[in-house]
Amino acid sequence: SQQGEEDPQALSIQEGENATMNCSYKTSINNLQWYRQNSGRGLVHLILIRSNEREKHSGRLRVTLDTSKKSSSLLITASRAADTASYFCAPSGNTPLVFGKGTRLSVIA
Amino acid sequence: DTGVSQNPRHKITKRGQNVTFRCDPISEHNRLYWYRQTLGQGPEFLTYFQNEAQLEKSRLLSDRFSAERPKGSFSTLEIQRTEQGDSAMYLCATTGAVGTEAFFGQGTRLTVV
Repeated sequence: SQQGEEDPQALSIQEGENATMNCSYKTSINNLQWYRQNSGRGLVHLILIRSNEREKHSGRLRVTLDTSKKSSSLLITASRAADTASYFCAPSGNTPLVFGKGTRLSVIA
Repeated sequence: DTGVSQNPRHKITKRGQNVTFRCDPISEHNRLYWYRQTLGQGPEFLTYFQNEAQLEKSRLLSDRFSAERPKGSFSTLEIQRTEQGDSAMYLCATTGAVGTEAFFGQGTRLTVV
């Protein structure tokens, strides 16, 4: 299975702080994707990092990928209350995207 | 709005009844996926289509569940003889090429009473 496992399961921070969540996986991948899900809504794609990339930025998001350790991290800088959501990683190869339980981020104003 | 539309948004049904959900994908996307999600869990893969062909089905998908994508456009997911354990959010997602960004609909929340 290409399912990723997110860590921690829950994270609570103050507005303005940085939030870091991690993802580990077991198989070889073509890329790794991160998604956000607000309560009761569908998932929204945040960022995709290819297997030959080590780091990628998008606005306040920074993603790293270490294929030798089969791990990725998502950093959200200067967090806002609106960042409160669940975050999922999806290691991607040639099979359908499979999701773990996610990290539930709470940003307190 | 991601461009993927799911209907209905909410469905309440009595145990034992059949229900059908619909997903309308982004038109140029040929891959369509169904997931089920319960509270506090991640989306659980159910099945996926490439055009009209159903290419993979989760072992978790009992024979009460069936999905179709008759013309390679919209898809339906039917649950027969619903059980309380079927209560969940059912999500549809579509992609272009495999391994590319997935676009999710807002989901159909099913409550079996």
